[in-house]
Amino acid sequence: AQSVSQHNHHVILSEAASLELGCNYSYGGTVNLFWYVQYPGQHLQLLLKYFSGDPLVKGIKGFEAEFIKSKFSFNLRKPSVQWSDTAEYFCAVQNAGNNRKLIWGLGTSLAVNP
Amino acid sequence: GAVVSQHPSWVICKSGTSVKIECRSLDFQATTMFWYRQFPKQSLMLMATSNEGSKATYEQGVEKDKFLINHASLTLSTLTVTSAHPEDSSFYICSARDPGGRLGEQYFGPGTRLTVT
Repeated sequence: AQSVSQHNHHVILSEAASLELGCNYSYGGTVNLFWYVQYPGQHLQLLLKYFSGDPLVKGIKGFEAEFIKSKFSFNLRKPSVQWSDTAEYFCAVQNAGNNRKLIWGLGTSLAVNP
Repeated sequence: GAVVSQHPSWVICKSGTSVKIECRSLDFQATTMFWYRQFPKQSLMLMATSNEGSKATYEQGVEKDKFLINHASLTLSTLTVTSAHPEDSSFYICSARDPGGRLGEQYFGPGTRLTVT
């Protein structure tokens, strides 16, 4: 069965620190990959996505993610976090078939101290 | 970007009653909508896939007679929690796929907080 694993459940950083959140998936076929963010009290928003092409994708608010096919990974990075990045981050994987439903990781709670 | 709304944003109901939650795509037509349930500090759990004009596809373990889904138009899907019980209290989120957008991209509603007393 397909699954998505996010290694870090809770991350606490100080402002200006660098961020990397891990995401690995298990699926042998072609996938689309997503990172979503949920700010406190708000709904899910798309941070970035990968469908094909350059494996290094850039999203909103200075986030980027790199798709490494050989490692089945899609880690999220940001060189310098801000207090406003405090949120829940979800990695999701979608296969080409199966009505394109998303398989979600459990999420990573990021707290950035000012 | 595409906007998805949900109504109501929160609802409190008594045990045994039914509650209807609406999900609307405001500026695009969505042939497919998804209903999720989110528990506190946990990930989203897909409940069902709603297809316009046909029956919904439920995930394993989700009672289709309890969670009734109707996707009667290209901009509206409804989730009815029938005979609600306290354990149904949760955050329900819908998403809609824009067929005119990039493959697979979903847009999420703000969610509905259901509390069953």
